[in-house]
Amino acid sequence: GAVVSQHPSWVICKSGTSVKIECRSLDFQATTMFWYRQFPKQSLMLMATSNEGSKATYEQGVEKDKFLINHASLTLSTLTVTSAHPEDSSFYICSARFPIQYFGAGTRLSVL
Amino acid sequence: QKEVEQNSGPLSVPEGAIASLNCTYSDRGSQSFFWYRQYSGKSPELIMFIYSNGDKEDGRFTAQLNKASQYVSLLIRDSQPSDSATYLCAVNPQGGYQKVTFGTGTKLQVIP
Repeated sequence: GAVVSQHPSWVICKSGTSVKIECRSLDFQATTMFWYRQFPKQSLMLMATSNEGSKATYEQGVEKDKFLINHASLTLSTLTVTSAHPEDSSFYICSARFPIQYFGAGTRLSVL
Repeated sequence: QKEVEQNSGPLSVPEGAIASLNCTYSDRGSQSFFWYRQYSGKSPELIMFIYSNGDKEDGRFTAQLNKASQYVSLLIRDSQPSDSATYLCAVNPQGGYQKVTFGTGTKLQVIP
């Protein structure tokens, strides 16, 4: 199947710093990518839809100034968690459609 | 009413038995349906998708769709301990390149 690569797989950072997560589609062009967040023992929560060449569409309740999304090319979308705080610690997962959604391996963020 | 509903489980079945996972959805116009498997601490992986009423078989997995009843299920034959995971039902409400809606998942435990 299609391959979606996500990096890094694990990141630990200090409170107040920013963290960038990359999501790449390796063998197809993805005009649309999705970013999810998942807290322990909870379901996937869609944060935003990333559209190549245009602004991301954020779900209700997700702060767009805190979670910056850049989809600068057909194979790369990035999520930057700005001024991270301990409550932002979570499992962040990207996916891309081809047209079926394929998921990256996820990034576990721990904010100290 | 949630858009996609699943029983959270856990559903416990003995090894070798058939596991039956169920999902209902609210949007009658939904076009495509997906089953993902998510191991603890990992991202979801696609198992099957189904678009038409009836059954679709792939190895030990069978997806069943009944649009009139707004019901989709996943059967796992000859269940193995390695099948123990959370199974997510996902529904594409409009077809095409639209975001899918995920259920909260059913946790399956296969007892050796």
